[in-house]
Amino acid sequence: NAGVTQTPKFRVLKTGQSMTLLCAQDMNHEYMYWYRQDPGMGLRLIHYSVGEGTTAKGEVPDGYNVSRLKKQNFLLGLESAAPSQTSVYFCASSWGTRDLNTEAFFGQGTRLTVV
Amino acid sequence: KNQVEQSPQSLIILEGKNCTLQCNYTVSPFSNLRWYKQDTGRGPVSLTIMTFSENTKSNGRYTATLDADTKQSSLHITASQLSDSASYICVVSDGGYNKLIFGAGTRLAVHP
Repeated sequence: NAGVTQTPKFRVLKTGQSMTLLCAQDMNHEYMYWYRQDPGMGLRLIHYSVGEGTTAKGEVPDGYNVSRLKKQNFLLGLESAAPSQTSVYFCASSWGTRDLNTEAFFGQGTRLTVV
Repeated sequence: KNQVEQSPQSLIILEGKNCTLQCNYTVSPFSNLRWYKQDTGRGPVSLTIMTFSENTKSNGRYTATLDADTKQSSLHITASQLSDSASYICVVSDGGYNKLIFGAGTRLAVHP
């Protein structure tokens, strides 16, 4: 069972470079999320999607874009990386039903350093 | 502002001992409260989910309690093992598209 898979696991970028983080889930989940985790802080929601073709802003969306062209994939893009975007990024997915007490499954994380 | 606060920030215990981690939240509306375990370099993994009508839930040696009136939760770990060394994160859902508000976590170290 692959669950939620993130690619890549590590990356170093120079300021101003762009990159895309890929999240893939094989559980047929409707909802997918991108979070960032910084030292001493809880995970913060960047963007989320409640279904194929839909995306919405979370708590800290500035500097990021996302796309959900296929149900199983959720892409996070950094158009012009900044040192403030140095963080560990987590993707998560969950069922999208009326029962909101549903489990969220997380990927292994992507450690991004912007120099 | 919706917030989740955890204490202590870090904790060291000896193998075999019990410990209790605390979580206070100011999230409204409240849908459910979750405890996650996050091993170093890994993503969070769910331990328990509780709605406002549940005041205790167990998962093996982990027992979570919830007092929705005081907006407090605790995670009790019994007979700790070395593998319990991890960060434990309290998470509250406000019910909006399963949006989750995360605490900063308690880092637990279990020493032999």
